[in-house]
Amino acid sequence: GEDVEQSLFLSVREGDSSVINCTYTDSSSTYLYWYKQEPGAGLQLLTYIFSNMDMKQDQRLTVLLNKKDKHLSLRIADTQTGDSAIYFCAEGHSSASKIIFGSGTRLSIRP
Amino acid sequence: EAGVAQSPRYKIIEKRQSVAFWCNPISGHATLYWYQQILGQGPKLLIQFQNNGVVDDSQLPKDRFSAERLKGVDSTLKIQPAKLEDSAVYLCASSQAESTDTQYFGPGTRLTVL
Repeated sequence: GEDVEQSLFLSVREGDSSVINCTYTDSSSTYLYWYKQEPGAGLQLLTYIFSNMDMKQDQRLTVLLNKKDKHLSLRIADTQTGDSAIYFCAEGHSSASKIIFGSGTRLSIRP
Repeated sequence: EAGVAQSPRYKIIEKRQSVAFWCNPISGHATLYWYQQILGQGPKLLIQFQNNGVVDDSQLPKDRFSAERLKGVDSTLKIQPAKLEDSAVYLCASSQAESTDTQYFGPGTRLTVL
């Protein structure tokens, strides 16, 4: 079945880069997403990548996709305290809107 | 542009009681979703509407959960009767069209069942 897995925690020093990793099982996924959830808030779509792409860059965010290994990563450059949140990896299809989420990675920032 | 609105933000009930949550999607969004997010987990889709029709309710526990979107705009999710394991955040999301897959989430309703 469909499954998305992430490590639960990541701690980085302010100003360093953060890399959050994710693996998924559904090779037919068309869209791969990164959502951010701050305490008490809903999910905010950060970025997404189509399955026919290897990389997408958007300001401080870089998404890398290894479709062969079904591995997705999110790199946040120059990590700031405002980046503290839970980051969810998710997969979806173009033919249906169902999105499968991972359990989330809690990113904490050390001064 | 106003986002997805949900109410109430918090609800505490005793087991076996009933509860209802309300969602108003972004104006013009035809597709509406209800997700359940248990603490420490990612959201899980409960039901998806396209206008006022149900597209996917395969994960909805139909013996106790029900949802409607009668006029194709706002939606209500009901739990009757509630169980302890229903304690979770209930998230509503909307998107413009089924094939778009870009979903915008509301702030959620945090339900605690005692």
